[in-house]
Amino acid sequence: DIQMSQSPSSLSASVGDRVTITCRASQGISNYLAWFQQRPGKAPKSLIYAASSLQSGVPSKFSGSGSGTDFTLTISSLEPEDFATYFCQQYYNYPHTFGGGTKVEIK
Amino acid sequence: QVQLQESGPGLVQPSETLSLTCTVSGASVGSGGYYWSWIRQAPGKGLEWLGYIYSSGPTKYNPALQSRVLMSLNTPKNQFSLKLYSVTAADTAVYYCARVDLVGVVLIADWGQGTLVTVSS
Repeated sequence: DIQMSQSPSSLSASVGDRVTITCRASQGISNYLAWFQQRPGKAPKSLIYAASSLQSGVPSKFSGSGSGTDFTLTISSLEPEDFATYFCQQYYNYPHTFGGGTKVEIK
Repeated sequence: QVQLQESGPGLVQPSETLSLTCTVSGASVGSGGYYWSWIRQAPGKGLEWLGYIYSSGPTKYNPALQSRVLMSLNTPKNQFSLKLYSVTAADTAVYYCARVDLVGVVLIADWGQGTLVTVSS
């Protein structure tokens, strides 16, 4: 199985901050990477697919980059509704595997 | 807009069978070329992909669970289901169902809210 690791596992930030989350694959996955957001008690929501393509309706403050083994999710300016857990998923090989998640908390 | 809702017992005895149903609205489970999927998250752990059943019926399971899992479609009720046999405490988790649209590198997923299943006597 392809192992996905995320860092940091949690971070504290303020409204307006720029935040970057890293996801690393144990082997190359081209750009078969998705990012999801999960607010407490809510269903996960798709943000990005193909490492850098925004899902329809997702605001442009979210961006993704990377290819191969190293990927990043950036939130350009945090807003209150962005405080949530973010996780990456590779879909290059089965079984699809997820990163451990990054919890973004209010400082 | 598609909506998915998991349902099933919140408590399952060890060695018994965990059975969950995902009721879908806004889409038909038997058409559209979607991957109707199950994912779980054990307390304090990351997400684990369990597998999918395709709109036309083929399935693919996580090899780690292959011998214990069965997914099926119920097109008249517009539902799909998960059965996990011989459960242990390690199967305690929030279980999510999801509709996954996967074409090449494009992946779009809609998830249910999740349901907590505890395995305990």
